[in-house]
Amino acid sequence: EAGVVQSPRYKIIEKKQPVAFWCNPISGHNTLYWYRQNLGQGPELLIRYENEEAVDDSQLPKDRFSAERLKGVDSTLKIQPAELGDSAVYLCASSSRGQTADTQYFGPGTRLTVL
Amino acid sequence: AQTVTQSQPEMSVQEAETVTLSCTYDTSESDYYLFWYKQPPSRQMILVIRQEAYKQQNATENRFSVNFQKAAKSFSLKISDSQLGDAAMYFCAHRSGSARQLTFGSGTQLTVLP
Repeated sequence: EAGVVQSPRYKIIEKKQPVAFWCNPISGHNTLYWYRQNLGQGPELLIRYENEEAVDDSQLPKDRFSAERLKGVDSTLKIQPAELGDSAVYLCASSSRGQTADTQYFGPGTRLTVL
Repeated sequence: AQTVTQSQPEMSVQEAETVTLSCTYDTSESDYYLFWYKQPPSRQMILVIRQEAYKQQNATENRFSVNFQKAAKSFSLKISDSQLGDAAMYFCAHRSGSARQLTFGSGTQLTVLP
């Protein structure tokens, strides 16, 4: 079974530029999560999708961040314009209610560097 | 709101020895789940072990086991027969029965010495 796929693995941009990250969850997982992980810290949730509906986006900075999950499968997270403080690892995870403890499985992440 | 605390920023262990990583959490709910994830330099968060709060028996996965003390809100991870490949950042995480997001601790960097 393929795991969670994310691209790109690395992205370096200058501040004020736009950037987008892509995630393809594990097949059959209806719940998708985007987390941000700052250096030396644990991940923090940005947004959670149940199928194509964003059901928890309270931590998403909506002035510059947006996300979509068309057709309830893969998802894109966008930042426009990027700021220096957005430098972090962006992790995507997916889960299925039918699995034990609704365990979340993570992708390899995208490391964003904003110069 | 739930909080997860890992009080050991760094730990080291000799290869083949045993090490215990600490984690405490705070929750007002009785239905929840606890997890340990491993994050090597590749950044992939890998599930190590999970525990359902309603289960009194401590979870075990090969060389990894937990000491779940529900009353004390403690959830430590024991790694037996440590191997070089165990070196990584370890995160403790909590999920309530009602919410689906994970709340992570700040992590413990484990070094395995040959």
